[in-house]
Amino acid sequence: SQQGEEDPQALSIQEGENATMNCSYKTSINNLQWYRQNSGRGLVHLILIRSNEREKHSGRLRVTLDTSKKSSSLLITASRAADTASYFCATPTGANSKLTFGKGITLSVRP
Amino acid sequence: NAGVMQNPRHLVRRRGQEARLRCSPMKGHSHVYWYRQLPEEGLKFMVYLQKENIIDESGMPKERFSAEFPKEGPSILRIQQVVRGDSAAYFCASSPGSSQETQYFGPGTRLLVL
Repeated sequence: SQQGEEDPQALSIQEGENATMNCSYKTSINNLQWYRQNSGRGLVHLILIRSNEREKHSGRLRVTLDTSKKSSSLLITASRAADTASYFCATPTGANSKLTFGKGITLSVRP
Repeated sequence: NAGVMQNPRHLVRRRGQEARLRCSPMKGHSHVYWYRQLPEEGLKFMVYLQKENIIDESGMPKERFSAEFPKEGPSILRIQQVVRGDSAAYFCASSPGSSQETQYFGPGTRLLVL
């Protein structure tokens, strides 16, 4: 399996529900980042959590990081139809900070 | 402050032609990364450049692909003699440094090889 693997691969929920997405990684990291990609568009940076942080909030987003389990979760509360997108976790690797992405999670929020 | 700009947004080429993809980083950013996204896949790193220097090209195919980031002007990703397998979305990202901070992505160039 690759660095930065998300699960589930696809998630369908009703508007107003919470969405939880998970990411696992293999190597040591300095930080982990979550991005959103709307269909046919570029990536939007959502949140960065550093290796010495356990939890971080940004609006309706909550990210946790468990370095002992090499995993992170992204929680979107009170989801909206506009949250429909693909979500990727990414970790910088090497001295040059190139990002390694997972395959992404496709979130569908039904109105 | 304009974001990362990429052009063209869509590019159609026939097999054997050349494709040139351009990326203008955010103002004040001197570090550029190129990534490729195949259908239903995540992004894969291709190359990392600073002004006038290729720093890491470990993700670039050995043949037909090249990249540059001149002192003046945008970064260019060049694909010679394109093949159908080159069809993908190519994203550029920029950052002010290489200190493992946030990278800001452009909207991508979607290349279709007929």
